[in-house]
Amino acid sequence: GENVEQHPSTLSVQEGDSAVIKCTYSDSASNYFPWYKQELGKGPQLIIDIRSNVGEKKDQRIAVTLNKTAKHFSLHITETQPEDSAVYFCAASIYKLSFGAGTTVTVRA
Amino acid sequence: DGGITQSPKYLFRKEGQNVTLSCEQNLNHDAMYWYRQDPGQGLRLIYYSQIVNDFQKGDIAEGYSVSREKKESFPLTVTSAQKNPTAFYLCASSIDLLAGGQNEQFFGPGTRLTVL
Repeated sequence: GENVEQHPSTLSVQEGDSAVIKCTYSDSASNYFPWYKQELGKGPQLIIDIRSNVGEKKDQRIAVTLNKTAKHFSLHITETQPEDSAVYFCAASIYKLSFGAGTTVTVRA
Repeated sequence: DGGITQSPKYLFRKEGQNVTLSCEQNLNHDAMYWYRQDPGQGLRLIYYSQIVNDFQKGDIAEGYSVSREKKESFPLTVTSAQKNPTAFYLCASSIDLLAGGQNEQFFGPGTRLTVL
């Protein structure tokens, strides 16, 4: 089955700086790559997703890039704010989602 | 107000007891899912259901059972056969499963189960 690896496991950034989280996947047939944000004690919430026919997608301060040849995709958060502090999960899907282990992001004021 | 509800938020059980976690959605979604979340391991799929009266095992189904008698409800039973049941359990739903899993999954707030 699909194996998704996510790095780093923890990330601390100064408010206003950028944060980058990277994921790799194993199955070249995967064609959907969502990113979820999970705040403490809550369920994950989709923040952005990308499909295999697109190389990059941006939504305000959040962007995702996909390199199908290398089988990796990344989440970029610019101008980080304290409310960006959360756990972020990447996932890859053929017909069901396989999740990375998560990245705990802390934005220092 | 549409969404997914899970109850209870916290659940304590003695070892050897079966326990059922509730999941209800009013989004009119066909597909529903149960995940288990452990620290540092992300989300792992337990069971999923594409439609009423049909469900499939996920990656870690051993020790769990589900039913899907109604479109809006997908309860999960953690049986005494599950060797390490203490975890955070998340229910999710999506419009359907037929589009290659490319529909957004909406998650409930989760149930934290502790087996004493």
